[in-house]
Amino acid sequence: DVKVTQSSRYLVKRTGEKVFLECVQDMDHENMFWYRQDPGLGLRLIYFSYDVKMKEKGDIPEGYSVSREKKERFSLILESASTNQTSMYLCASSTHPQGFEHEKLFFGSGTQLSVL
Amino acid sequence: AQKVTQAQTEISVVEKEDVTLDCVYETRDTTYYLFWYKQPPSGELVFLIRRNSFDEQNEISGRYSWNFQKSTSSFNFTITASQVVDSAVYFCALRGGNTGKLIFGQGTTLQVKP
Repeated sequence: DVKVTQSSRYLVKRTGEKVFLECVQDMDHENMFWYRQDPGLGLRLIYFSYDVKMKEKGDIPEGYSVSREKKERFSLILESASTNQTSMYLCASSTHPQGFEHEKLFFGSGTQLSVL
Repeated sequence: AQKVTQAQTEISVVEKEDVTLDCVYETRDTTYYLFWYKQPPSGELVFLIRRNSFDEQNEISGRYSWNFQKSTSSFNFTITASQVVDSAVYFCALRGGNTGKLIFGQGTTLQVKP
């Protein structure tokens, strides 16, 4: 069974802290994504990666960075957490780097981050 | 620019009723892909269906059916004889032909009451 695992289900941090959200997939997928989910806004893409050490900005990258040192792991970093980054963060992975026709995303269960 | 609009924020039905979730999209791409995902209370989004822009044939899978109409830029999802287990947030999504980015709608929360 395919699996995308996010390290924490709930996380509480303080303003200004550096926060790491970890995501691991066991499907040998090339593509990995970080989304945030907010009520009324749906899912918005923060960053994605097509390969190890590669990263691309999504629609809302400000305040975030990512790291992909190994194929199976994609980390989202909040350099200095702020209250407006309180949200549900969802990691996803997919395969078929040559073409996206048959691609579908596999999602983790999410990390609910609260920044106080 | 690409955009997906799910105008229905919340829908509440009684079990066994049919329900349709609306999805309207905007894109300038001639090749694109449309998706529906289900997010149950556990939080993990689950893929339901993918449609490419060249295939307007409607699809039925058990109690689920999808109506794709390019003329109205809509990709609506109907659940027939709804069940309590159908209660979830449903997302419609769009991807342009040359990108891996998936653009999601705002989501529709469906509550099916017994």
